[in-house]
Amino acid sequence: GAVVSQHPSRVICKSGTSVKIECRSLDFQATTMFWYRQFPKQSLMLMATSNEGSKATYEQGVEKDKFLINHASLTLSTLTVTSAHPEDSSFYICSARAEGAGDLYEQYFGPGTRLTVT
Amino acid sequence: AQSVAQPEDQVNVAEGNPLTVKCTYSVSGNPYLFWYVQYPNRGLQFLLKYITGDNLVKGSYGFEAEFNKSQTSFHLKKPSALVSDSALYFCAVRDKSSGYSTLTFGKGTMLLVSP
Repeated sequence: GAVVSQHPSRVICKSGTSVKIECRSLDFQATTMFWYRQFPKQSLMLMATSNEGSKATYEQGVEKDKFLINHASLTLSTLTVTSAHPEDSSFYICSARAEGAGDLYEQYFGPGTRLTVT
Repeated sequence: AQSVAQPEDQVNVAEGNPLTVKCTYSVSGNPYLFWYVQYPNRGLQFLLKYITGDNLVKGSYGFEAEFNKSQTSFHLKKPSALVSDSALYFCAVRDKSSGYSTLTFGKGTMLLVSP
């Protein structure tokens, strides 16, 4: 099956700094990528949807200036948490969807990135 | 708006026994339904999906799910549970209201299989 990777898997940063998380589709072209946030023992909350080459669409309540998303190519999307604070500590998961017969309705998920802001 | 309900926070079952993890949905139009599994500190792994066709869908690792339109349910089942099946299970749906583009997840059900 299709593989989505995330880097780093874990990151610890100091309050006020910025952190970039990469999401890559390894063996398919992802026209659409999604970023989710998951709190402990809770469900996934969709943060934003991005299409290659265009601006991301953010869900209500998600600060676009704080969570910068770039989908520069069909295999790479990045999420940058700017001026991170302890409340941004969470598990961030990216997902990618390929367009095409057989894959149109399926999303593939990355392994997640654990962000801890101290 | 589409929504998914997983009424159980946790399901406990003994190894070798059948298991069921419940899911009900509320959508406009015909739903596209999915089950995912998440192991600790890992992303989601796809188990199975229902788009159209046979109501009984077979997926990975011996899991299956039955689409029941009249009861708006899509319960996940396995005839014989393994300890290694212990994980967090998410039901998800896409529907017409989102153009079939956005996955909405249930809150998740923790499955614990005892030896």
